[in-house]
Amino acid sequence: EAGVAQSPRYKIIEKRQSVAFWCNPISGHATLYWYQQILGQGPKLLIQFQNNGVVDDSQLPKDRFSAERLKGVDSTLKIQPAKLEDSAVYLCASSLVGGGNYNEQFFGPGTRLTVL
Amino acid sequence: AQSVTQPDIHITVSEGASLELRCNYSYGATPYLFWYVQSPGQGLQLLLKYFSGDTLVQGIKGFEAEFKRSQSSFNLRKPSVHWSDAAEYFCAVGAGLTGGGNKLTFGTGTQLKVEL
Repeated sequence: EAGVAQSPRYKIIEKRQSVAFWCNPISGHATLYWYQQILGQGPKLLIQFQNNGVVDDSQLPKDRFSAERLKGVDSTLKIQPAKLEDSAVYLCASSLVGGGNYNEQFFGPGTRLTVL
Repeated sequence: AQSVTQPDIHITVSEGASLELRCNYSYGATPYLFWYVQSPGQGLQLLLKYFSGDTLVQGIKGFEAEFKRSQSSFNLRKPSVHWSDAAEYFCAVGAGLTGGGNKLTFGTGTQLKVEL
């Protein structure tokens, strides 16, 4: 079974530029998550989709970050304009959905963003 | 709100020695608890999980963890560490959401160094 795919793996940009990351979840997984992992910290949830609807985006800096999941499958996360503090690894994860039960999240390899 | 504390930022052990990584959580109900490992440049790999039942759970790579409700702890152990275990370890607490999907909160991680 194929895992969660992410691209690119690495990206270097200058501040104020824009950048986009792509994620393809495990087939059949209705829930998709984007996490931000700053060096020395644990991953922090940015946004959670169920199918193509947003479940939780309370920690997404909406003035510069946006995400979409058209057709309820793959997803893109965009930053525009980027700031130095956005340098981090962006992790995508996916899980099944099951009526109130906890479903394991499977993580992709991440995209390492460096903002200069 | 749920939270996780990993009090040890760095731990160094000799190869063959035993290992215990500490994790304390805060959550109002019975928690779902996880340990993940992250090697450099890699995504998060699930080592083990506790949902209910036996409080001593076995995971992959010879790891185990014990859930202690009275201490709000979920410490990770391994009887004999191998050099390949050097990585960063994250404890996480999860909660199922009635609307589907689930919320995962991570600790700040413990960096494990193994001396040969």
